[in-house]
Amino acid sequence: AQTVTQSQPEMSVQEAETVTLSCTYDTSESDYYLFWYKQPPSRQMILVIRQEAYKQQNATENRFSVNFQKAAKSFSLKISDSQLGDAAMYFCAYRSDPGANSKLTFGKGITLSVRP
Amino acid sequence: DAGITQSPRYKITETGRQVTLMCHQTWSHSYMFWYRQDLGHGLRLIYYSAAADITDKGEVPDGYVVSRSKTENFPLTLESATRSQTSVYFCASSAAGDGQETQYFGPGTRLLVL
Repeated sequence: AQTVTQSQPEMSVQEAETVTLSCTYDTSESDYYLFWYKQPPSRQMILVIRQEAYKQQNATENRFSVNFQKAAKSFSLKISDSQLGDAAMYFCAYRSDPGANSKLTFGKGITLSVRP
Repeated sequence: DAGITQSPRYKITETGRQVTLMCHQTWSHSYMFWYRQDLGHGLRLIYYSAAADITDKGEVPDGYVVSRSKTENFPLTLESATRSQTSVYFCASSAAGDGQETQYFGPGTRLLVL
């Protein structure tokens, strides 16, 4: 079974600075998808970024980018120019290649605080 | 564009009562999921459905029942609520096929079982 590990329960960053959130996973599959979701105090789960394992290029969405190391099974999220609105809980998630069993496996999450 | 909605948003019930949480999506997505979120556990999958009338167990299905008679609805029933089922419940959906693997989440239902 796949597992997703977020070993840092909390992190803090100064506004306008850069922060990296770590995630590792374990799988025997070669094709899969990885995601970062943001959960602000409203509890809404918001997709931040996704990465297809077959793509070597790291995904980027505005101030959010990932460092995907397939051999190391590492998938970290970098937030540049941090803003107060980035304060939230962030979840890393794994999904197998599309099929009938297309569930997400989540890490336990990391709470990010942004200092003004 | 309603997307995916859940009702009720908040619910207080008593041990032993039956509770049904509703989930509705307007995208005609094939896949639908129910997760629960608890401190220290992240989100865990309860049940999922690949299409109408097709459902399967996830990681923590005990005490829950689902049905999917229509593509757009995926209700979750707690047959006899227990305190351990106090949680935040999220419904999610995704389309089928390559490139459609992203799951979109509803706003969640906070359930308190007394």
